[in-house]
Amino acid sequence: DIVMTQAPLSVSVTPGESASISCRSSKSLLHSNGITYVYWYLQKPGKSPQLLIYRMSNLASGVPDRFSGSGSETDFTLKISRVEAEDVGIYYCGQLLENPPTFGSGTKLEIK
Amino acid sequence: EVQLVESGGGLVQPGRSMKLSCAASGFTFSNYGMAWVRQAPTKGLEWVATISYDGSSTYYRDSVKGRFTISRDNAKSTLYLQMNSLRSEDTATYYCTRGHYFDYWGQGVMVTVSS
Repeated sequence: DIVMTQAPLSVSVTPGESASISCRSSKSLLHSNGITYVYWYLQKPGKSPQLLIYRMSNLASGVPDRFSGSGSETDFTLKISRVEAEDVGIYYCGQLLENPPTFGSGTKLEIK
Repeated sequence: EVQLVESGGGLVQPGRSMKLSCAASGFTFSNYGMAWVRQAPTKGLEWVATISYDGSSTYYRDSVKGRFTISRDNAKSTLYLQMNSLRSEDTATYYCTRGHYFDYWGQGVMVTVSS
């Protein structure tokens, strides 16, 4: 199975500042079709996960453009610009290149 | 508006069975693959099973193969997860999700396996 490793475990951010979350995969997530199959999800407290970013850098519907995704074949970054209080929760990266789909262990974002 | 509403969870004894349902609305259900993802208490996300748009293909994580069955009724826009021989390690909130990259999630249903 592909292992997804996230860092840091938690991050505390002042409102208005930026935050970055890293994710590394144990094998390349770049398909021969040119698509990189890494995804980012946010689980707000007491809620279901929601999709933020698909195929490494595409913003999901309704997600503010303060969120952005980037990376290479195995190293990925979720950046949140101008963090707001509503951004608190646990962020997960996931790979959907091959079965079984796997997720990172999560990064908890808190507000200072 | 896309909606996924799970039902059927609760407390069940080890070794027994339980069937989860997920009622979908707000999109053409028969056009999408669907999946179940679970989350044990205080833990991360764990994919369980996926079914193709027409039900012809199914995929399972190793730990549930032979015990769980994912199925769908496109006429009723409903996804199912039949869980047999339940174990304590199956205790989790089970989420119904849409598509092959989980773009929409239900509210989740709790399954507790305990004697």
